[in-house]
Amino acid sequence: NAGVTQTPKFRVLKTGQSMTLLCAQDMNHEYMYWYRQDPGMGLRLIHYSVGEGTTAKGEVPDGYNVSRLKKQNFLLGLESAAPSQTSVYFCASTYGQGSEAFFGQGTRLTVV
Amino acid sequence: AQKITQTQPGMFVQEKEAVTLDCTYDTSDQSYGLFWYKQPSSGEMIFLIYQGSYDEQNATEGRYSLNFQKARKSANLVISASQLGDSAMYFCAMRVPRGNNRLAFGKGNQVVVIP
Repeated sequence: NAGVTQTPKFRVLKTGQSMTLLCAQDMNHEYMYWYRQDPGMGLRLIHYSVGEGTTAKGEVPDGYNVSRLKKQNFLLGLESAAPSQTSVYFCASTYGQGSEAFFGQGTRLTVV
Repeated sequence: AQKITQTQPGMFVQEKEAVTLDCTYDTSDQSYGLFWYKQPSSGEMIFLIYQGSYDEQNATEGRYSLNFQKARKSANLVISASQLGDSAMYFCAMRVPRGNNRLAFGKGNQVVVIP
């Protein structure tokens, strides 16, 4: 049982480049989340999804887009990367109320 | 909006002693869930314990217990008999179903266990 898998694990981008982070879960979870983690800031919610075909903005959505075309996948896109988007990105999924969120292993992104 | 506050500075704890990590939260909803996660230096997020807002008993999971004081909006984590492997960042989180099950995190508490 793979749980939550993020790809890639590491990436270096040049300013202005685009990329997509993939999150895949095999637990049939409805809810999926994308966070960024920066030193001293904890985990901040970027976007989330309450089901296939739905997305919503979190605390820090600017500069990111997401899609949930299939229930098991949640994609995070950066259209034009900026150095301020250098961070560790985590994906998580959950059934919903009363159940814990399961996390991917994280993606370390550096924008130079 | 949900808000989680963890304000303790980094903590040093003697091995085998207990440590309490503070967490306060703010929500106007009556139904919510509280979680604690551990993040060791390797970076993965590890679920520790869950407390529902309607649960009357404090949650316990092995050496972890959650001191839930609803009126004070407090959900402190107690780790008993600390071990060297408990050295990590610890995050408190809250999810509110009425808020589309958004899962919000505090900024974390750093714990270092010393032998």
